[in-house]
Amino acid sequence: RKEVEQDPGPFNVPEGATVAFNCTYSNSASQSFFWYRQDCRKEPKLLMSVYSSGNEDGRFTAQLNRASQYISLLIRDSKLSDSATYLCVVSRGTDKLIFGTGTRLQVFP
Amino acid sequence: EPEVTQTPSHQVTQMGQEVILRCVPISNHLYFYWYRQILGQKVEFLVSFYNNEISEKSEIFDDQFSVERPDGSNFTLKIRSTKLEDSAMYFCASSAGTMPNEQFFGPGTRLTVL
Repeated sequence: RKEVEQDPGPFNVPEGATVAFNCTYSNSASQSFFWYRQDCRKEPKLLMSVYSSGNEDGRFTAQLNRASQYISLLIRDSKLSDSATYLCVVSRGTDKLIFGTGTRLQVFP
Repeated sequence: EPEVTQTPSHQVTQMGQEVILRCVPISNHLYFYWYRQILGQKVEFLVSFYNNEISEKSEIFDDQFSVERPDGSNFTLKIRSTKLEDSAMYFCASSAGTMPNEQFFGPGTRLTVL
């Protein structure tokens, strides 16, 4: 079983739409959870850390369910510039990051 | 805003040659990492480095690989004898080490082994 699993997509949505991505992780010892975005042939860029209580940053909302080992990302009012691959990432502390394969999002006009 | 930098952006080498990839982590960070991404695949951990020693390494990081922090700013990855399958994007990352230990990535070095 993969350590971090994501639906690869692509998700094709019109501008202004709301889109949600899900991710599951297999190691219950995971302590830190993140969403990164990656543009084509560029580095992963930290979008947000994910906290147990859930957290929001502008149009982005992340949720964590430790019991189900499930992480989600909701993007409201999608912009063309949101088109990218969204990487679900977990870690056990100061350890390595473990990446999912990513979910591709394409926002069209 | 402080950022991780990497040089070169692209390195082309012949199989069997040695390459050194260079990184300058964010200045007050204490933890340093190398990752790689083969085209079309996910980002994979190679090695982590803290307090001037390797803290963890993956199965990929065999005897052909080494890391060094030769001075107070640079962090290098050396591949002694490159293979075709080493062709990938190599990313350096650094973190302050405080939870949740957010890691910040450099722009990467694209290594092409011919």
